Amino acid sequence: NAGVTQTPKFRVLKTGQSMTLLCAQDMNHEYMYWYRQDPGMGLRLIHYSVGEGTTAKGEVPDGYNVSRLNKREFSLRLESAAPSQTSVYFCASRNTDSLSYEQYFGPGTRLTVT
Amino acid sequence: DAKTTQPNSMESNEEEPVHLPCNHSTISGTDYIHWYRQLPSQGPEYVIHGLTSNVNNRMASLAIAEDRKSSTLILHRATLRDAAVYYCILRHTNSGGSNYKLTFGKGTLLTVNP
Repeated sequence: NAGVTQTPKFRVLKTGQSMTLLCAQDMNHEYMYWYRQDPGMGLRLIHYSVGEGTTAKGEVPDGYNVSRLNKREFSLRLESAAPSQTSVYFCASRNTDSLSYEQYFGPGTRLTVT
Repeated sequence: DAKTTQPNSMESNEEEPVHLPCNHSTISGTDYIHWYRQLPSQGPEYVIHGLTSNVNNRMASLAIAEDRKSSTLILHRATLRDAAVYYCILRHTNSGGSNYKLTFGKGTLLTVNP
């Protein structure tokens, strides 16, 4: 049981390049989330999904597209990367039945845009 | 949305209790209080949550003031592994969609001295 995994772990992009971050969970969770964390800051929600085939905007959605590929996988795409998107990106998932409302987080992807 | 206020940083000595405060004076009657922590270079992890009554689990205790305007996360015997950023988060339970989301602030950086 790997929990929440994210690929890649690190990436350096040039301004204008595109890339896709992939998140996968093996806990059969319905809800999945993408956050970003800038230095010295808390996490900010980018987009989330409450089930297969659904996505919704979070607090800071501009410049990002997401896709809930299936129940396990949730991708985050940067079509034209900008230096302001330099950040650590975290994926999380949650079970709808969880009384604790516990979100399980992946290890993060550290992205630098030059 | 109701907000939380936490000290930027706190220090503790190993094997001593730690009391991490959180003010949430504008909390509404149906808001849950959640605590997460983030160890260095890792994603956040769930610690504990509560609504009105004090709560205990294997990681910590949560003491909630009678008027619910503040709460305290208690680590009974701090270890070096407890050095992390601790986030106090209010989870709203209205029907407007925010029930799915957690809003992370900057949290409290806890340093544990050997």
